[in-house]
Amino acid sequence: AQSVTQLGSHVSVSEGALVLLRCNYSSSVPPYLFWYVQYPNQGLQLLLKYTSAATLVKGINGFEAEFKKSETSFHLTKPSAHMSDAAEYFCAVSAGGSQGNLIFGKGTKLSVKP
Amino acid sequence: DARVTQTPRHKVTEMGQEVTMRCQPILGHNTVFWYRQTMMQGLELLAYFRNRAPLDDSGMPKDRFSAEMPDATLATLKIQPSEPRDSAVYFCASGFRDTYYGYTFGSGTRLTVV
Repeated sequence: AQSVTQLGSHVSVSEGALVLLRCNYSSSVPPYLFWYVQYPNQGLQLLLKYTSAATLVKGINGFEAEFKKSETSFHLTKPSAHMSDAAEYFCAVSAGGSQGNLIFGKGTKLSVKP
Repeated sequence: DARVTQTPRHKVTEMGQEVTMRCQPILGHNTVFWYRQTMMQGLELLAYFRNRAPLDDSGMPKDRFSAEMPDATLATLKIQPSEPRDSAVYFCASGFRDTYYGYTFGSGTRLTVV
């Protein structure tokens, strides 16, 4: 069965600092992996996805994530945090490889201090 | 931009009342999901449809919840009778059969049962 673990329910960084949000997955099939962002009182917006092509994936708003099979990880990074990055971030794995529903982690709330 | 439309955005109802939430998926998408988000449980899959046929509703309390797609442009989630523990944000998402492109989420219906 597929699952996702996000380490750290809250992460706080200073504006301009590196953002690192951790995600580890478990999958019995080659995984499709996703990062979504949720701003307050809004739905989830797709940031980026890994679908077995390049292991370093670039997304919107300057975020990127690297798929590391040996570590079963898909951590999200951004070199320099903006105040507007404050939101909740969700890592997800597709339940059936290329098909099926998404299984989400518990989320990590990112705070950005001025 | 194409979007998933959910109505109503907010709903306050009394315990025991029937609640119906509606979702208009993106035109051409053949897969529709219903997720529930709570602080305690995070994002949980309730049900999903492909080509209007239910594929999985194992996450849904069958005695009070029902999900349908009367046509390709409308998905409904009904709770009867509603209970305070049903208070949550309910999200609809749509996409193509293959998760390659990820799924697009609506803005959600915030349900409060008093």
